[in-house]
Amino acid sequence: AQRVTQPEKLLSVFKGAPVELKCNYSYSGSPELFWYVQYSRQRLQLLLRHISRESIKGFTADLNKGETSFHLKKPFAQEEDSAMYYCALKSGANSKLTFGKGITLSVRP
Amino acid sequence: DTGVSQDPRHKITKRGQNVTFRCDPISEHNRLYWYRQTLGQGPEFLTYFQNEAQLEKSRLLSDRFSAERPKGSFSTLEIQRTEQGDSAMYLCASSSGLLSAFFGQGTRLTVV
Repeated sequence: AQRVTQPEKLLSVFKGAPVELKCNYSYSGSPELFWYVQYSRQRLQLLLRHISRESIKGFTADLNKGETSFHLKKPFAQEEDSAMYYCALKSGANSKLTFGKGITLSVRP
Repeated sequence: DTGVSQDPRHKITKRGQNVTFRCDPISEHNRLYWYRQTLGQGPEFLTYFQNEAQLEKSRLLSDRFSAERPKGSFSTLEIQRTEQGDSAMYLCASSSGLLSAFFGQGTRLTVV
């Protein structure tokens, strides 16, 4: 069975500091990983997906199959990055998502 | 807003009552998903529709839960004989082809 682990619940940093949000997964097939973000009072929205290899809002994430990780990184955090971040794994023919428990990122001025 | 729409946004009900939620997906999306999210957890998959066919149900979906998607457009999720443990945020998402899932704002259910 697939599993997504986000080991930390909260990360608090100062503006301009680097950010790394950890995500590990367990899946027997070929994984497709995502990061979703939820800003205060807004819906869950896609931040990035590993297959597109994009940088969105300065965030990047690299799939490391050897370490089964998909950590989200940003070199210089901004206050507007404060939100809840969820790592998710797409699996099966029906493309359902398995989510981690999420991490709250708080960026202080 | 042309995204995924859910109604109602909030529902408070007494234990034992039945409730029904509605989801209107993005119009051209043929895939529709329901998820449930409780405090401190990520969303958990409940069920999946492709067009009007319900193709997968999680074991989280007890026999008190039923979902439909008539005509492959909007979907409803009904919970019968609600219990306090059903209190959660119910999320709907839709997608099509290789697109990533787009989520609605959710229906927050409180069972008192």
